[in-house]
Amino acid sequence: QKEVEQDPGPLSVPEGAIVSLNCTYSNSAFQYFMWYRQYSRKGPELLMYTYSSGNKEDGRFTAQVDKSSKYISLFIRDSQPSDSATYLCAFFTGGGNKLTFGTGTQLKVEL
Amino acid sequence: ETGVTQSPTHLIKTRGQQVTLRCSSQSGHNTVSWYQQALGQGPQFIFQYYREEENGRGNFPPRFSGLQFPNYSSELNVNALELDDSALYLCASSLLLAEYTGELFFGEGSRLTVL
Repeated sequence: QKEVEQDPGPLSVPEGAIVSLNCTYSNSAFQYFMWYRQYSRKGPELLMYTYSSGNKEDGRFTAQVDKSSKYISLFIRDSQPSDSATYLCAFFTGGGNKLTFGTGTQLKVEL
Repeated sequence: ETGVTQSPTHLIKTRGQQVTLRCSSQSGHNTVSWYQQALGQGPQFIFQYYREEENGRGNFPPRFSGLQFPNYSSELNVNALELDDSALYLCASSLLLAEYTGELFFGEGSRLTVL
């Protein structure tokens, strides 16, 4: 079983839609949860991080963590064409120094 | 822009050759991490350098090696290239323990093709 499962997409939505991106994980040691956005031919950039279960909101983005189900989500409200990118979930145990990434979900927001 | 620059941006090598990739870190940062991102995959941790010393390594063979210089810039060296080494190599600049908050600043990567 992979440590992290993430649907690769592609996911295509109309402008203004609410987007839901998800990852499941199997490693109970993961304690810190992040979402990165990666535009084509660019490196990943941090969108949000969270530690606890529950929701964290930042503008149009909401990160949700359910540790009991080992499931994290990123919601994008009022999606824009500029949100078209690959979204990577990432995890950290709190020990060592590596992040464990999902494979990424490719999102396309169409006019 | 992250202020992290990587070179070269693209390169093509043949099996068995050696390659050196370079990364300049963001001003004020003392830690550089290297990740390998194969096509359609998420980044995989190779190793991290902190103040010129290796500070952790992922599941990569010894033919992957690195250096960090006094100005905190870094190099990734790969010997005896294999076809499976074809990937985007990402350098991330940060302060130590940035993994807790995910505040790693990635460069645009060096895309290596091994023929």
